[in-house]
Amino acid sequence: EAQVTQNPRYLITVTGKKLTVTCSQNMNHEYMSWYRQDPGLGLRQIYYSMNVEVTDKGDVPEGYKVSRKEKRNFPLILESPSPNQTSLYFCASSFQGQETQYFGPGTRLLVL
Amino acid sequence: GENVEQHPSTLSVQEGDSAVIKCTYSDSASNYFPWYKQELGKGPQLIIDIRSNVGEKKDQRIAVTLNKTAKHFSLHITETQPEDSAVYFCAASWWQGGKLIFGQGTELSVKP
Repeated sequence: EAQVTQNPRYLITVTGKKLTVTCSQNMNHEYMSWYRQDPGLGLRQIYYSMNVEVTDKGDVPEGYKVSRKEKRNFPLILESPSPNQTSLYFCASSFQGQETQYFGPGTRLLVL
Repeated sequence: GENVEQHPSTLSVQEGDSAVIKCTYSDSASNYFPWYKQELGKGPQLIIDIRSNVGEKKDQRIAVTLNKTAKHFSLHITETQPEDSAVYFCAASWWQGGKLIFGQGTELSVKP
């Protein structure tokens, strides 16, 4: 089944404790992206990757890191999480940048 | 910076009525405008998209119109059904880049 998977789905952590949210797609997509969703603000793009080893900032990159060492994986790293990073996070992928994006199921993060 | 404004934030209609959601964008270089539907507890899913060389696109009960001069685009849903109830997001991107800016979302409720 073609899909985007994210792990974990739910995470509670404390300020300053480094964490990684994994994202994997099995559709051989070149493009991958991370978004956060907050009430009243819609979806905001954090980082995106047009291909392996190619990443770029979205609208709200501060406090996040990404890497794209393999085509199928695009992990999101929070090196020192803060409470304002409490949010619902979505990973998405597509063949190219301006094509249908397929979203993962989301990761709900709470930073205490 | 680039911005997409979406209205209304909530919309309630009777089953069988039409629903219209409107978005405006700030960057005149934007050339790709997708619409996503998000059902409760799930990731967004593309329902229709339009590119800047087209003024209107239809897919069964869903249509999107684009006015490049005014920099706005709209989603039209006819003969609404309860299963159309969801949050709808518009978005805009430009050139062939990977940056995608979303609107704030519209919560559509279709009452039987």
